[in-house]
Amino acid sequence: DSGVTQTPKHLITATGQRVTLRCSPRSGDLSVYWYQQSLDQGLQFLIQYYNGEERAKGNILERFSAQQFPDLHSELNLSSLELGDSALYFCASSVDPDLEPLHFGNGTRLTVT
Amino acid sequence: GQQLNQSPQSMFIQEGEDVSMNCTSSSIFNTWLWYKQDPGEGPVLLIALYKAGELTSNGRLTAQFGITRKDSFLNISASIPSDVGIYFCAGLADTPLVFGKGTRLSVIA
Repeated sequence: DSGVTQTPKHLITATGQRVTLRCSPRSGDLSVYWYQQSLDQGLQFLIQYYNGEERAKGNILERFSAQQFPDLHSELNLSSLELGDSALYFCASSVDPDLEPLHFGNGTRLTVT
Repeated sequence: GQQLNQSPQSMFIQEGEDVSMNCTSSSIFNTWLWYKQDPGEGPVLLIALYKAGELTSNGRLTAQFGITRKDSFLNISASIPSDVGIYFCAGLADTPLVFGKGTRLSVIA
């Protein structure tokens, strides 16, 4: 158990809809990362937050946004969903955003129909 | 941007055999990490390497941080069925962590 909690585990929704994925980091970790994993693909970095502030941005679409709250949990919002957004979305956390290895949650599997 | 070339993409081995996989890059990294992902789960950290030339073991797993800081390898000795999964390398220079596309390992009993 990595200590990183993601909800929901599965999400099925229709094109055009909006969903929110939630992540609670490991206790004591200040940095949260979001990754997208499509079928047979590696992990694509989306965005990183550290202590409530955006720290780094990857290939995140404009339809996607995220935030980290004062209690350090994070939410990833995906809007105007397309079929191609179907993927596993992973959250990871770390104490030090620059040095500490990341610990991953078990992901949210999003299916857009 | 930084990219990692991980090979092989997949491998089928007999139980008991040793396994070797590697990651290379044209970029220099300060940290190399190796993860394993089981179906339906998130990646789990296996080994972390912080110094060029460092050789680190974790049970039957051994990984090395290449001396040029542009590569790393992972060896698994005496494979067992539960070694099945996808192994990812990851390199850290500037945030965020960059991942390879993974090596899918299948073990035939």
